[in-house]
Amino acid sequence: DQQVKQNSPSLSVQEGRISILNCDYTNSMFDYFLWYKKYPAEGPTFLISISSIKDKNEDGRFTVFLNKSAKHLSLHIVPSQPGDSAVYFCAAENQGGKLIFGQGTELSVKP
Amino acid sequence: ETGVTQSPTRLIKTRGQQVTLRCSSQSGHNTVSWYQQALGQGPQFIFQYYREEENGRGNFPPRFSGLQFPNYSSELNVNALELDDSALYLCASSMRGQGSYEQYFGPGTRLTVT
Repeated sequence: DQQVKQNSPSLSVQEGRISILNCDYTNSMFDYFLWYKKYPAEGPTFLISISSIKDKNEDGRFTVFLNKSAKHLSLHIVPSQPGDSAVYFCAAENQGGKLIFGQGTELSVKP
Repeated sequence: ETGVTQSPTRLIKTRGQQVTLRCSSQSGHNTVSWYQQALGQGPQFIFQYYREEENGRGNFPPRFSGLQFPNYSSELNVNALELDDSALYLCASSMRGQGSYEQYFGPGTRLTVT
């Protein structure tokens, strides 16, 4: 039972353009959502989060949007840079601190 | 501020053996969670420790066990290793009770079971 899904395994974007990574979830009881970035041979790095009571959170080039009625969230990166190339995971926090991750989307930003 | 550290970086074990992985949490954090990441998948929650007690467990058998020490560092023990246990094991620390949900990950331990 995959409660958090990232349906695009990969995404390729030109440098300077917008990257949009998508994530869907099934459990309406999740109260917090997070995005992580992962480079090979490193652990996931926390990027940005959003509470379920909000619909948008922005931090520099990164913005996360939450659509609770559609059970969908997205991460926007603008402008995209080659250093953003990595695997991006969305995660949902279950009561008690358990993070449930999607399968990841590999972003490639081409110069 | 010291980040999350894990040891060893990688190791190879034989089926049936036992393994212990170690994690030092980020300074100021009181909670440690362990995750297993298989190739091509997202991390899967194994269990969490808070105040030296298990505080939530994922869908993993009892041969996966853990400890948290008074300094908030932690160990993950896996008995009777199986080939499917080959994965990246990630430790994450957080500060429970501060209204923050972010967990900060270490670099992981790559376990190969042959």
